[in-house]
Amino acid sequence: GAVVSQHPSWVICKSGTSVKIECRSLDFQATTMFWYRQFPKQSLMLMATSNEGSKATYEQGVEKDKFLINHASLTLSTLTVTSAHPEDSSFYICSASTGTQYFGPGTRLTVL
Amino acid sequence: AQSVTQPDIHITVSEGASLELRCNYSYGATPYLFWYVQSPGQGLQLLLKYFSGDTLVQGIKGFEAEFKRSQSSFNLRKPSVHWSDAAEYFCAVGAGVGNEKLTFGTGTRLTIIP
Repeated sequence: GAVVSQHPSWVICKSGTSVKIECRSLDFQATTMFWYRQFPKQSLMLMATSNEGSKATYEQGVEKDKFLINHASLTLSTLTVTSAHPEDSSFYICSASTGTQYFGPGTRLTVL
Repeated sequence: AQSVTQPDIHITVSEGASLELRCNYSYGATPYLFWYVQSPGQGLQLLLKYFSGDTLVQGIKGFEAEFKRSQSSFNLRKPSVHWSDAAEYFCAVGAGVGNEKLTFGTGTRLTIIP
């Protein structure tokens, strides 16, 4: 139980394009989902908290217009990286919470 | 503000040896504590969690952790490690249901030698 999926698992895109990453809780519903960014050999950095039916809450320093988050249902949240640039290349991980956070497998984004 | 310290960046142990990974937290109230494991290129898997009750918590894969309030610690242990335990381990602290944001430690990388 408590399985979270992410799609795609990896994506390569050109600079200036937008990329959408999906996060789904497969066997449970989650009012709250979280989006993290992880740089190589570093810990997870929380980007935003996503609540179903309301606007996401972004952490300080995270550009909300660049990282668009939509939490359309209790099982789906999406992160769209708009006008991606090479510095946005990273490993993005989502989690879905029932009081305990369950993590997806991550999405590797490479911007050329 | 809550914080987590994992003092050991990298630990190497022999297969079959015992393991202890250290975690110290700072939090004003009773914390919700977690240990997660991350294999290379993967997401995080929950090993165990402590919310309340028995301070010795059993988790998956033979891991256990002990909550010691007096020492603000939540160390992870395993009596005998396997080569498949090689991974990155993260300790995290949270405020609990209703405020589920987690603060993660910087992680401890575990290497297993034959």
